[in-house]
Amino acid sequence: GESVGLHLPTLSVQEGDNSIINCAYSNSASDYFIWYKQESGKGPQFIIDIRSNMDKRQGQRVTVLLNKTVKHLSLQIAATQPGDSAVYFCAEKRTSYDKVIFGPGTSLSVIP
Amino acid sequence: DTAVSQTPKYLVTQMGNDKSIKCEQNLGHDTMYWYKQDSKKFLKIMFSYNNKELIINETVPNRFSPKSPDKAHLNLHINSLELGDSAVYFCASSQRWSDTQYFGPGTRLTVL
Repeated sequence: GESVGLHLPTLSVQEGDNSIINCAYSNSASDYFIWYKQESGKGPQFIIDIRSNMDKRQGQRVTVLLNKTVKHLSLQIAATQPGDSAVYFCAEKRTSYDKVIFGPGTSLSVIP
Repeated sequence: DTAVSQTPKYLVTQMGNDKSIKCEQNLGHDTMYWYKQDSKKFLKIMFSYNNKELIINETVPNRFSPKSPDKAHLNLHINSLELGDSAVYFCASSQRWSDTQYFGPGTRLTVL
């Protein structure tokens, strides 16, 4: 079957440090991966996505890395800020036209 | 100027009651979704409509019935509420089925 999971359910980082949130997926047929951020009391918000034909994609302070060999996805946040405190979800689609399957989430806490 | 809005934000009700949650998007998107987030933050798709037509209906009890009066609205009606229905329900929309999804703020349903 399909599953998307995270290595660490919680992560605490010092303000200013870099954060790395990891995600494992089991469906090697997945073609499209997305990271969402969910702040307390709000809905998930799109951060960045990556297709399976890429291994790295950068956004503003965020980088997503994809390792298809070991079916691993990570989100790197540079210079983590208090506003980055949230639950982060990785999600996958087998194709762009498939439903989104969410992983269980990692809670990121930023220590001032 | 809210993109995806849901009402109510909180809903507390007794077992056996029937309730509805409303969702509206002002983004001009063609596709709308309902997700359920349980107490462990796990997010799962329930339904998806594209141009008012049902395209995804996950294994959701038939007590849950979505209704899309027009492209901008997707309401969720729940009959005979059960304790296990307690969760946060998120509405989302995307331009097309394959595009980035934008989530509403969620409706926290508590069944007593």
